[in-house]
Amino acid sequence: DGGITQSPKYLFRKEGQNVTLSCEQNLNHDAMYWYRQDPGQGLRLIYYSQIVNDFQKGDIAEGYSVSREKKESFPLTVTSAQKNPTAFYLCASSPRLAGLGEQYFGPGTRLTVT
Amino acid sequence: AQSVTQPDIHITVSEGASLELRCNYSYGATPYLFWYVQSPGQGLQLLLKYFSGDTLVQGIKGFEAEFKRSQSSFNLRKPSVHWSDAAEYFCAVGDMEYGNKLVFGAGTILRVKS
Repeated sequence: DGGITQSPKYLFRKEGQNVTLSCEQNLNHDAMYWYRQDPGQGLRLIYYSQIVNDFQKGDIAEGYSVSREKKESFPLTVTSAQKNPTAFYLCASSPRLAGLGEQYFGPGTRLTVT
Repeated sequence: AQSVTQPDIHITVSEGASLELRCNYSYGATPYLFWYVQSPGQGLQLLLKYFSGDTLVQGIKGFEAEFKRSQSSFNLRKPSVHWSDAAEYFCAVGDMEYGNKLVFGAGTILRVKS
């Protein structure tokens, strides 16, 4: 089955540690995205990538980093510089490089930092 | 900047009753509009989308939405709600100037009374 996988579903870390969230898609989509979701705030864009080896900052990129070495993979690292990292993180992909297409979402990773 | 407003944080309806979820957007050009649904702890699923053409669009699960340019609105409707419709609903506008970025509203939580 085609889709987007995110692992793990739940992740716990101590404050000061970097942590990497996985996102893999087998939909052959060009574009991939990372969002952060907090209660009552909707989804906010962290980073996005429209092509391999290229990515752009979204609205709340500070304290996060990404890489796009393969078309199917777009891992997100939450660094110790992120002031409030506890949140639900969603990865998405889109089939179109230019123009506009709907985004398909993974099941999400809930990160808790204590 | 583009923005999406969902005025209702929570809505409760009785099973079998009709539903309307409100969405207002701010966007300079012709908007690309989406409605997504999210069950607790899950990713987002696309319900429907509007790109152009007929202003009344049909989606999955019996949902429809109407684009009204004069009111900058894209309200989601369903004639008869089922208990399984209880979830959080997000309206989003596509930003053509920012790659394939989606700007999301804060969401509306739908509760269904039996």
